[in-house]
Amino acid sequence: ETGVTQSPTHLIKTRGQQVTLRCSSQSGHNTVSWYQQALGQGPQFIFQYYREEENGRGNFPPRFSGLQFPNYSSELNVNALELDDSALYLCASSLTAGGPTGELFFGEGSRLTVL
Amino acid sequence: AQSVTQPDIHITVSEGASLELRCNYSYGATPYLFWYVQSPGQGLQLLLKYFSGDTLVQGIKGFEAEFKRSQSSFNLRKPSVHWSDAAEYFCAVGARGTGFQKLVFGTGTRLLVSP
Repeated sequence: ETGVTQSPTHLIKTRGQQVTLRCSSQSGHNTVSWYQQALGQGPQFIFQYYREEENGRGNFPPRFSGLQFPNYSSELNVNALELDDSALYLCASSLTAGGPTGELFFGEGSRLTVL
Repeated sequence: AQSVTQPDIHITVSEGASLELRCNYSYGATPYLFWYVQSPGQGLQLLLKYFSGDTLVQGIKGFEAEFKRSQSSFNLRKPSVHWSDAAEYFCAVGARGTGFQKLVFGTGTRLLVSP
């Protein structure tokens, strides 16, 4: 069984640039969630995708956007990067959207540094 | 909105000694509760979860946690710590109705294990 994989593992951008992070969900999982983990903090929920539609969003501005593809893989896009966007971005997949039926399976994350 | 407090930033325990990590949550109803562990350079791994029923929950790697509604707590325990348990531990709460993907995490407790 293939786990959650994320790419790239590390990247460096400058303020104002745009970034795309990618996530392949665990085999058979149809829901993907994205979290931002700043240094020394716990992960913060960005948004969730189910059946290719955004299905829940945290307190993040619209310059954070995402996509989910028919194979359930997902992208996180961040426009107009700010220094505070420097963080570890975690992708998590699960079997269903909503309901206490399972658990989140996390990838190892993409570490973004904004200079 | 729900919130989580992990009052201990760092804890050092001798190998073989018992461990208790504290977690207090704020939520108006019975929440979903989770403990995740994060090793350096790794994603998050679920240790255990509480949804309903028995308030003492058993997890992987010999961990257990007890849900105490009166104290709004969900403390993690292990009777005998191993050096491999050194990691960052996160308590998380999910709101009923929004599922278990949209989690609110605490700031984490870093566990150090001394020989």
